[in-house]
Amino acid sequence: AQSVTQPDIHITVSEGASLELRCNYSYGATPYLFWYVQSPGQGLQLLLKYFSGDTLVQGIKGFEAEFKRSQSSFNLRKPSVHWSDAAEYFCAVGAGGTSYGKLTFGQGTILTVHP
Amino acid sequence: EPEVTQTPSHQVTQMGQEVILRCVPISNHLYFYWYRQILGQKVEFLVSFYNNEISEKSEIFDDQFSVERPDGSNFTLKIRSTKLEDSAMYFCASSRDRGREQYFGPGTRLTVT
Repeated sequence: AQSVTQPDIHITVSEGASLELRCNYSYGATPYLFWYVQSPGQGLQLLLKYFSGDTLVQGIKGFEAEFKRSQSSFNLRKPSVHWSDAAEYFCAVGAGGTSYGKLTFGQGTILTVHP
Repeated sequence: EPEVTQTPSHQVTQMGQEVILRCVPISNHLYFYWYRQILGQKVEFLVSFYNNEISEKSEIFDDQFSVERPDGSNFTLKIRSTKLEDSAMYFCASSRDRGREQYFGPGTRLTVT
């Protein structure tokens, strides 16, 4: 069964600082990996996705993530955080193959940005 | 930019009542999903739907739940007899192809009293 772990429940950074949110997954084959962001009272917005190919993927809002198969990780990074990045971030793994695309989510990381 | 829409944004119902949550997926998408998020917990998969039938469902999706695509645009989740523990945010999502990225609606907050 697929699973996702986000070790950090809450992270606080200063505006302008760099950011890395951790995500570890468990899946038997090559996973499809996603990062979503949820602002208070809002739905889930897709930040970026990995299916295959280049292991460093670029997303919206200046975010990027790197797939490391050897570490079963898909960490999200941003070189300089803006106050508007404060939100909850979810890593998700999707099953390929014969699956119809069920996503399994991590428990989320709440990002607080200090001015 | 096309988006997934959901109505209502908030639904309050009494225990034992039936509720129908509505979603309009992105128009050229073929795969549809429902997820829920109980306050403070993970987003959980409920069901996937393709070609007018359920393709996969979780153990949460018991006989109290049903889904339907009544016309070419709507996708609904029905809970027949709501329980207190059904209180959650329910998200609809759609995808163009199997296994591709899913686009989520803003959610319906269901409160069962």
